[in-house]
Amino acid sequence: AQTVTQSQPEMSVQEAETVTLSCTYDTSENNYYLFWYKQPPSRQMILVIRQEAYKQQNATENRFSVNFQKAAKSFSLKISDSQLGDTAMYFCAFGHNNDMRFGAGTRLTVKP
Amino acid sequence: DAGVIQSPRHEVTEMGQEVTLRCKPISGHNSLFWYRQTMMRGLELLIYFNNNVPIDDSGMPEDRFSAKMPNASFSTLKIQPSEPRDSAVYFCASRTGNSYNEQFFGPGTRLTVL
Repeated sequence: AQTVTQSQPEMSVQEAETVTLSCTYDTSENNYYLFWYKQPPSRQMILVIRQEAYKQQNATENRFSVNFQKAAKSFSLKISDSQLGDTAMYFCAFGHNNDMRFGAGTRLTVKP
Repeated sequence: DAGVIQSPRHEVTEMGQEVTLRCKPISGHNSLFWYRQTMMRGLELLIYFNNNVPIDDSGMPEDRFSAKMPNASFSTLKIQPSEPRDSAVYFCASRTGNSYNEQFFGPGTRLTVL
């Protein structure tokens, strides 16, 4: 069974600075997908970024980028130029076929 | 498009009562997912449907839980009888195509069982 581990329950960062959220996963599959979702206080789940396992190039979406290390089964999220609106829970997720497994989440607080 | 619609947004009920949560996926999406979110267990996949057919319900915690998708635009998650430990936020999500595509989540239903 696939498992996703987020070892940082809480993190904080100063506005405009950079922060990295960690995620590791365990799987025997070779083809799969990885995601970072954001859940602000509104409770809405919002996709931040995604990565296909067979692509070596790290995905980037504006201020958000990932460091995907397939051999190490690591998928960290880097947020550059942090903004107050980035304050939220961040969930790492693993997808294979129609199955989706989420990590426990990291609560990120951006301080002014 | 209005996005994934869930109702009710909040539900408070007493132990032993039947609870029915509703979901309308985004039009054209062929996969639908039900999740439960609690502080203790995080976000758990309960069941997913593909083209209205339940594919995997291994995440459904007990026989008290059941889910249906009678057509492409409607799904229900029923708990009968409900228990206090069922208190959680229940999310519905829908997606088109394969696993790489984004799952669009509804706003969730906060269920409280007294």
